[in-house]
Amino acid sequence: AQTIHQWPVAEIKAVGSPLSLGCTIKGKSSPNLYWYWQATGGTLQQLFYSITVGQVESVVQLNLSASRPKDDQFILSTEKLLLSHSGFYLCAWSLGWGNQDTQYFGPGTRLLVL
Amino acid sequence: EQQVQQSPASLVLQEAENAELQCSFSIFTNQVQWFYQRPGGRLVSLLYNPSGTKQSGRLTSTTVIKERRSSLHISSSQITDSGTYLCAMGFSSGSWQLIFGSGTQLTVMP
Repeated sequence: AQTIHQWPVAEIKAVGSPLSLGCTIKGKSSPNLYWYWQATGGTLQQLFYSITVGQVESVVQLNLSASRPKDDQFILSTEKLLLSHSGFYLCAWSLGWGNQDTQYFGPGTRLLVL
Repeated sequence: EQQVQQSPASLVLQEAENAELQCSFSIFTNQVQWFYQRPGGRLVSLLYNPSGTKQSGRLTSTTVIKERRSSLHISSSQITDSGTYLCAMGFSSGSWQLIFGSGTQLTVMP
């Protein structure tokens, strides 16, 4: 069975500090991967997607970057956090491209920037 | 900017009542999904319904493409149905993205 794992579960970070959030998918080969962000009380927004290793497309600019170093791994990062980066980050995967298939979401990472 | 509107914003029901949630889109789309967001934040896919009517257990979704809307009907609601229901549409303009509505907060009372 496929599993999706996100780390860390939660983070409290200082403004200006670096950030790295991770996501791994086990049990599926060559999945399409996605990063989403939800501000507290806000609407979920897609940030990035990747259809293959080494290739990442940006959807929303939030001074964040993403990378896909391995087939089953998706990393979200920034060198300098802003207060506006606080929120809930979700990773998702699908087999079909885009919305041609159901997306399955990870448990998420809560980030508080102070 | 492409948008997804959901109504009502919140809904309170007595257990066993039915719920009807609505979603409208700013563009024509045949890529519609419904999700349930648990109180802790995790998203669960409920139905992928590009058009017509789809059913899964007590959930029935109807999408009418030409009217740019989709609905989710929950029959015989249970306390455990409480949470936030999100609809989303697929949109492609250079890059592909899934655009979410702001959700309907459902509370089912005993």
